[in-house]
Amino acid sequence: AQKVTQAQTEISVVEKEDVTLDCVYETRDTTYYLFWYKQPPSGELVFLIRRNSFDEQNEISGRYSWNFQKSTSSFNFTITASQVVDSAVYFCALVTGATNKLIFGTGTLLAVQP
Amino acid sequence: DAGVIQSPRHEVTEMGQEVTLRCKPISGHNSLFWYRQTMMRGLELLIYFNNNVPIDDSGMPEDRFSAKMPNASFSTLKIQPSEPRDSAVYFCASSFGAKSNTGELFFGEGSRLTVL
Repeated sequence: AQKVTQAQTEISVVEKEDVTLDCVYETRDTTYYLFWYKQPPSGELVFLIRRNSFDEQNEISGRYSWNFQKSTSSFNFTITASQVVDSAVYFCALVTGATNKLIFGTGTLLAVQP
Repeated sequence: DAGVIQSPRHEVTEMGQEVTLRCKPISGHNSLFWYRQTMMRGLELLIYFNNNVPIDDSGMPEDRFSAKMPNASFSTLKIQPSEPRDSAVYFCASSFGAKSNTGELFFGEGSRLTVL
């Protein structure tokens, strides 16, 4: 079965703090893609990153970084020096060749207080 | 460049009425997806099309739901008759790629449906 678990329902931090959003996935497929999407209060879903299962290199993009570890089936997302504009719901997602469907986790609501 | 365009943005209707949601994907994209978002069930894939052909509609809740893609630039999701439990935000998304879903989707702003 394919599954994405985001155990953190809500996180509240103060501006400039670092915050890590956890994502654990389940799949038996050896080929799959992992994603993070951001849903700000305005409601649209914004693609942030895609990772394939053969590339475990961590990635950094400005204040955002992602840590992919196949050994623990995790794909965690860290925001460094958080800002109020980072406040949103963040979704981790998975697609495999077996299902061909993008399966979303339940999301983590991040609130960054000024 | 225009993104995925959905209409209406908000719809309030009464139980039993027909609802039609519309989507214009990004020009050049050949895959189109309809998702539903609710508090209880999160984001669920309802159906997706590749090159205007429905590939997987296993997420469509029941016969009251139907989706069409008559051409590469337009799709509709219809609910007839609507019920209060259909109240949700319906997202359309598009992507470019082969038949397999590589997941890098571009989402519209969603259509918020309220069925009274």
